[in-house]
Amino acid sequence: DAKTTQPTSMDCAEGRAANLPCNHSTISGNEYVYWYRQIHSQGPQYIIHGLKNNETNEMASLIITEDRKSSTLILPHATLRDTAVYYCIVLGSGNTGKLIFGQGTTLQVKP
Amino acid sequence: DTEVTQTPKHLVMGMTNKKSLKCEQHMGHRAMYWYKQKAKKPPELMFVYSYEKLSINESVPSRFSPECPNSSLLNLHLHALQPEDSALYLCASSRDRGAYGYTFGSGTRLTVV
Repeated sequence: DAKTTQPTSMDCAEGRAANLPCNHSTISGNEYVYWYRQIHSQGPQYIIHGLKNNETNEMASLIITEDRKSSTLILPHATLRDTAVYYCIVLGSGNTGKLIFGQGTTLQVKP
Repeated sequence: DTEVTQTPKHLVMGMTNKKSLKCEQHMGHRAMYWYKQKAKKPPELMFVYSYEKLSINESVPSRFSPECPNSSLLNLHLHALQPEDSALYLCASSRDRGAYGYTFGSGTRLTVV
């Protein structure tokens, strides 16, 4: 599975959009991009995933570049409860189940 | 039921003790996972079970022994642990290996004294 690179930390003002980038330049054609987040002392929470089209759900939007080498997770109106570590993970469709976490981005939403 | 339930939430054990962590899900998921997470680090995969059979062991020491008695239940048996094994132990499940979203439990906070 391809490796991902994320910034270590980001700040965002409450009520503004939070845009979290992820680079995955070695991604292959059958690999999906997944986003999870982990709020302090809780288990990771699935947010969204995509292959090549942009995706949106009730939590967030995922924008994947045309060459699929990078993506951006967008939280449209960040709240204090969105403060968490956000993980971008690449996982193949025929994966053995090895969901491997990188270092992630610590997002701090400030009032 | 859309949850993964882990018990106990907290556990303190001595280095000579034997204890078990329990994980339960009733979503019909056929893949279950154990992760270990040290403070300020990302979760690390330990074991993967698929259809109640162990499919991946990430070179975990034998003092950790997983068991999957049925499709809803996953145990982690602990014996002769070291203080450095103190961590948050997370259980997760998914519809199948690598399928869509994994649902994680809240974890068991283990302290080895």
